[in-house]
Amino acid sequence: EDQVTQSPEALRLQEGESSSLNCSYTVSGLRGLFWYRQDPGKGPEFLFTLYSAGEEKEKERLKATLTKKESFLHITAPKPEDSATYLCAVQGAAGNKLTFGGGTRVLVKP
Amino acid sequence: NAGVTQTPKFQVLKTGQSMTLQCAQDMNHEYMSWYRQDPGMGLRLIHYSVGAGITDQGEVPNGYNVSRSTTEDFPLRLLSAAPSQTSVYFCASRDRGEKLFFGSGTQLSVL
Repeated sequence: EDQVTQSPEALRLQEGESSSLNCSYTVSGLRGLFWYRQDPGKGPEFLFTLYSAGEEKEKERLKATLTKKESFLHITAPKPEDSATYLCAVQGAAGNKLTFGGGTRVLVKP
Repeated sequence: NAGVTQTPKFQVLKTGQSMTLQCAQDMNHEYMSWYRQDPGMGLRLIHYSVGAGITDQGEVPNGYNVSRSTTEDFPLRLLSAAPSQTSVYFCASRDRGEKLFFGSGTQLSVL
């Protein structure tokens, strides 16, 4: 059974204070690891897909990295608008089921 | 493109009532799915469909039915609502790159 664990559950940052979110996973045959952003009262929005260990992707102040057991989402010099819940998910060999972690709630204070 | 549209946005039911959550997408995606989101438990897959006429169970299918008669629509039916089904429900469709596009959610309370 695929499993995803995200840590920490919540993160409070000062504006400009860089940090990292962790996503640990177990999956049989990784087809993809996904990061989503979710704002309160809204559905998740896609950020990144990573396919193999060593891969990195960047978007503005966010950078996602992948190893064989975990993924990190680095937030560099965050701004208040980066406040959201960040969700990690894996897709295994079966292909049709995405398993999500519990998410990390990030609050960036000005 | 409207993307993925869910209705209603809020719903209150009494135990034992039935209802249908509607989901429609205009992106011509073959794959559609329903998730529920509960505090501390993340998003859990209820049912999914890989095309018209084809559906399958996810992680938590009990108490829910789905059908897929068209590519655009994927309704979720609660047969006899229970308080344990109080949750936020999200419909999502998936493109060929396997990126999920979510609707804005339905907040359901079962009293």
